[in-house]
Amino acid sequence: QQQVKQSPQSLIVQKGGISIINCAYENTAFDYFPWYQQFPGKGPALLIAIRPDVSEKKEGRFTISFNKSAKQFSLHIMDSQPGDSATYFCAAKYSGAGSYQLTFGKGTKLSVIP
Amino acid sequence: GAGVSQTPSNKVTEKGKYVELRCDPISGHTALYWYRQSLGQGPEFLIYFQGTGAADDSGLPNDRFFAVRPEGSVSTLKIQRTERGDSAVYLCASSLSGDVGETQYFGPGTRLLVL
Repeated sequence: QQQVKQSPQSLIVQKGGISIINCAYENTAFDYFPWYQQFPGKGPALLIAIRPDVSEKKEGRFTISFNKSAKQFSLHIMDSQPGDSATYFCAAKYSGAGSYQLTFGKGTKLSVIP
Repeated sequence: GAGVSQTPSNKVTEKGKYVELRCDPISGHTALYWYRQSLGQGPEFLIYFQGTGAADDSGLPNDRFFAVRPEGSVSTLKIQRTERGDSAVYLCASSLSGDVGETQYFGPGTRLLVL
């Protein structure tokens, strides 16, 4: 059972354009939603994260939009640059009993072309 | 400061062999996680340590997989009788105390190839 569904699988955007990646989750107990960026041969690195008590969070060119009722959240990359070309993963975790493991989506490979 | 380090960076082994993968977390981080990332997939949780104890090992696929963290810092993931399906990148992450809103910092991973 895939608890976090991510789309699209791949995305090609022109330099300066907006990149949009979407995720949907099933477990309503999730209460922390990070986005990770991964370059080839590297481990994932946190890009931006949001808690469900806010609908939007912006950090520089990166914005998370969160829709609790629809159980969806998205990453928007404004003014996309070739250096943003990487694989992006949405994730979720909850503060229930046990560990705070991250549940990841399958990833979106973003290519920003000059 | 130093990030999470993992050794070896690459490991090639034969089917049926035993392997150990090492993770050195960020100093002072009590929470440590192991994930496995197959080609073209997101990381999948294997096990979580809080200090020296395995607080959640629900992600370990079977009893061939085992992990330890005897002194609450370095952790070793051990795989017995390796199978070709074990080929993947094994990622280690650490966070300060394991709280829900904390950032998990990932290492570069160990790429395991089982021939």
